[in-house]
Amino acid sequence: EAAVTQSPRSKVAVTGGKVTLSCHQTNNHDYMYWYRQDTGHGLRLIHYSYVADSTEKGDIPDGYKASRPSQENFSLILELASLSQTAVYFCASSYRGPGQLYFGEGSKLTVL
Amino acid sequence: DAKTTQPDSMESTEGETVHLPCSHATISGNEYIYWYRQVPLQGPEYVTHGLQQNTTNSMAFLAIASDRKSSTLILPHVSLRDAAVYHCILRELATGGNNKLTFGQGTVLSVIP
Repeated sequence: EAAVTQSPRSKVAVTGGKVTLSCHQTNNHDYMYWYRQDTGHGLRLIHYSYVADSTEKGDIPDGYKASRPSQENFSLILELASLSQTAVYFCASSYRGPGQLYFGEGSKLTVL
Repeated sequence: DAKTTQPDSMESTEGETVHLPCSHATISGNEYIYWYRQVPLQGPEYVTHGLQQNTTNSMAFLAIASDRKSSTLILPHVSLRDAAVYHCILRELATGGNNKLTFGQGTVLSVIP
């Protein structure tokens, strides 16, 4: 069974502070993704990566950085957290080509 | 990006077969049709996908229209565990194999005991 684990599962941050969300997958997948979900809305792609040491911008990259230091790990970094970044963040991984994405359980971020 | 249209909500009773429709009138030839579902406080779960032919697995049957402009996810004998938001998504396989998913609002499926 594919496994994608996220940490922390929940975090409260202050405006202007730095936040790092981590994602780890044990599936040997090439691709990893970060999505955010706002209450009552669908998921939106922030950043993704198809190989270690390389990241790509998704649909809403502003205010976020990503880091892929190894195939297994993919981090989302908020250098200066803002109120508008309060959301649930989901990490996912997949093989190259058609097939399913495996999602983590989500990280709930509240910025005060 | 090509988009999908789904009803906001549907309701069913346990044991019934549910037909969840999805319209994708502007689908292009290299776009797959994916279905995911999501329950509160969890990440989306893959249900099934297809390109042109109908597909079936342990979770659902996906019926794709011959012109590919619409599809229907069929859930046989639904249970309370099938209550979720169901997302119909077009997934373009761009050069290099990048696979981006664009989620919409989906259909909220309620299941009555």
